[in-house]
Amino acid sequence: GAGVSQTPSNKVTEKGKYVELRCDPISGHTALYWYRQSLGQGPEFLIYFQGTGAADDSGLPNDRFFAVRPEGSVSTLKIQRTERGDSAVYLCASSLDLAGGTHNEQFFGPGTRLTVL
Amino acid sequence: DQQVKQNSPSLSVQEGRISILNCDYTNSMFDYFLWYKKYPAEGPTFLISISSIKDKNEDGRFTVFLNKSAKHLSLHIVPSQPGDSAVYFCAGGKLTFGQGTILTVHP
Repeated sequence: GAGVSQTPSNKVTEKGKYVELRCDPISGHTALYWYRQSLGQGPEFLIYFQGTGAADDSGLPNDRFFAVRPEGSVSTLKIQRTERGDSAVYLCASSLDLAGGTHNEQFFGPGTRLTVL
Repeated sequence: DQQVKQNSPSLSVQEGRISILNCDYTNSMFDYFLWYKKYPAEGPTFLISISSIKDKNEDGRFTVFLNKSAKHLSLHIVPSQPGDSAVYFCAGGKLTFGQGTILTVHP
């Protein structure tokens, strides 16, 4: 497809369970970002990848959150022992390149709405 | 510490009039700023950007103004159209977003 896709679109889980959220970036985009958006707030940065490596994971709230991008394309955000406070829309974005501090427009996916009961 | 703030949660404007959306920031290191627009159930889409070395950037009906001394930027939409109704986010640098402003344009 032409845009960033995210699956599933909705995920309902119980407190304490493990979830995986998937992001398929635009083909050829080397940079990939994960954000979390709570109701009434802007996207909150979690982590970004340049290629296969996590270039900045300073936004991950704690060690229950982990993300991988093993082949430099698809990425998976993993949340262990989910808590009710993890409920939010998780957004993924990709861009051509993050190098050099130049403006590289981020293209966002539709998000995954995670609800932890 | 919120480095990018949008203090108006909502704005209502009549069709054809000007919409002005405001954003304040605290991080002087941001080298550019962006505005994104978001419709319900969709991800944000890029609207317009401005480099920190400029004070104005215009693209059709959209103009962004940057006042570095005041650490303030604004997005002007003129004339406003009902299809502009959405949530607008400003962002500093690559990764820091404001809380968003809900714009409603009435026919």
